Amino acid sequence: DVKVTQSSRYLVKRTGEKVFLECVQDMDHENMFWYRQDPGLGLRLIYFSYDVKMKEKGDIPEGYSVSREKKERFSLILESASTNQTSMYLCASSLAGGSTDTQYFGPGTRLTVL
Amino acid sequence: KNEVEQSPQNLTAQEGEFITINCSYSVGISALHWLQQHPGGGIVSLFMLSSGKKKHGRLIATINIQEKHSSLHITASHPRDSAVYTCAVISGTDKLIFGTGTRLQVFP
Repeated sequence: DVKVTQSSRYLVKRTGEKVFLECVQDMDHENMFWYRQDPGLGLRLIYFSYDVKMKEKGDIPEGYSVSREKKERFSLILESASTNQTSMYLCASSLAGGSTDTQYFGPGTRLTVL
Repeated sequence: KNEVEQSPQNLTAQEGEFITINCSYSVGISALHWLQQHPGGGIVSLFMLSSGKKKHGRLIATINIQEKHSSLHITASHPRDSAVYTCAVISGTDKLIFGTGTRLQVFP
């Protein structure tokens, strides 16, 4: 059974803190993605990775960085969290060569920055 | 079986979606091209690769020589990306071999 897991469902952090969001997939997928979802704005791509140690900026990379040291794990890092980064963060993965409707999503992490 | 295979053959997407087009080949190559042809337009060479990756704007092409596989990625797709995308390899005998093409339609 396909599985994408995220380290936390809910997270509360203070402004200026460093935040790590972890995502793990067990499907041997090459592509992994980090999105944020905000009311009225839909899903917006932050970063994606198509191979280990490879990363590419998405639509809104500012204030974020990522790490892909192993194929199954893709981490999103907020170097210094700010209140405008309060959002739902979704991780996804897909096979190389797949279309977007074969992306598998994790359950999401709701991050609140105070 | 074709020496150069592409997938998918047809792809539709909503504007803004991330797109991947896949190319696998079974021959030894010296380089691989990704080509784009808009409806009624000429063929444009997007990338020529022999290793690693190349990026141009929203387009990224990667190649894995060991696995004989290349991918073309389009980030934040736009209706103007609608076109036929073809990979073509230059074989070890300097023969140019085309894939079957992927017809991409991006809807607003």
